[in-house]
Amino acid sequence: DAKTTQPNSMESNEEEPVHLPCNHSTISGTDYIHWYRQLPSQGPEYVIHGLTSNVNNRMASLAIAEDRKSSTLILHRATLRDAAVYYCILRDVAGGGSNYKLTFGKGTLLTVNP
Amino acid sequence: DGGITQSPKYLFRKEGQNVTLSCEQNLNHDAMYWYRQDPGQGLRLIYYSQIVNDFQKGDIAEGYSVSREKKESFPLTVTSAQKNPTAFYLCASSILGAGGFFSYNEQFFGPGTRLTVL
Repeated sequence: DAKTTQPNSMESNEEEPVHLPCNHSTISGTDYIHWYRQLPSQGPEYVIHGLTSNVNNRMASLAIAEDRKSSTLILHRATLRDAAVYYCILRDVAGGGSNYKLTFGKGTLLTVNP
Repeated sequence: DGGITQSPKYLFRKEGQNVTLSCEQNLNHDAMYWYRQDPGQGLRLIYYSQIVNDFQKGDIAEGYSVSREKKESFPLTVTSAQKNPTAFYLCASSILGAGGFFSYNEQFFGPGTRLTVL
């Protein structure tokens, strides 16, 4: 899987928007951009994914750069429950290949201040 | 409620002993996975299975074994051959795409089992 680069940590205040960046300069045309998050001592949970267009769901929004070399996960109003490690992951959906697995880096540790 | 359960939550093992971690899902997913997480690190894939009675090695399969006798269950055995077994173990499942290929659909994770070797 293509590599992603994320900041080690970020801080936010409660009720404010949070923009979590991810760089993936070697992304291929068949790579989907996935975001997962992991709360302390829990298993990861899916947040959102996209290919080219911006995506919204009940948890977050995903903004994808026009050249697809970077993306930003947007939490519109951070709460204390959003404090977690956020992982940006590329998944190749070309037939066969290694798209069965999620390749996790170290992610971004988000701290939310009350 | 549908989901994935892992048991036990905490497990202690003496060196030289094999131990089996349980993973059950009632999501009717075909694919199941085992990951290992060390402190401050991301997850690494141990084994995965896309159909009953079939499974494949992941990136760090040495010292581990699995079975897939039922669609709902995918137990992981940590053998005495695993040199550094203390870690957080996570089980996941997902649907398969058309033709039985793994798709980009999300993986659902269990709550994890924290294994400590004494």
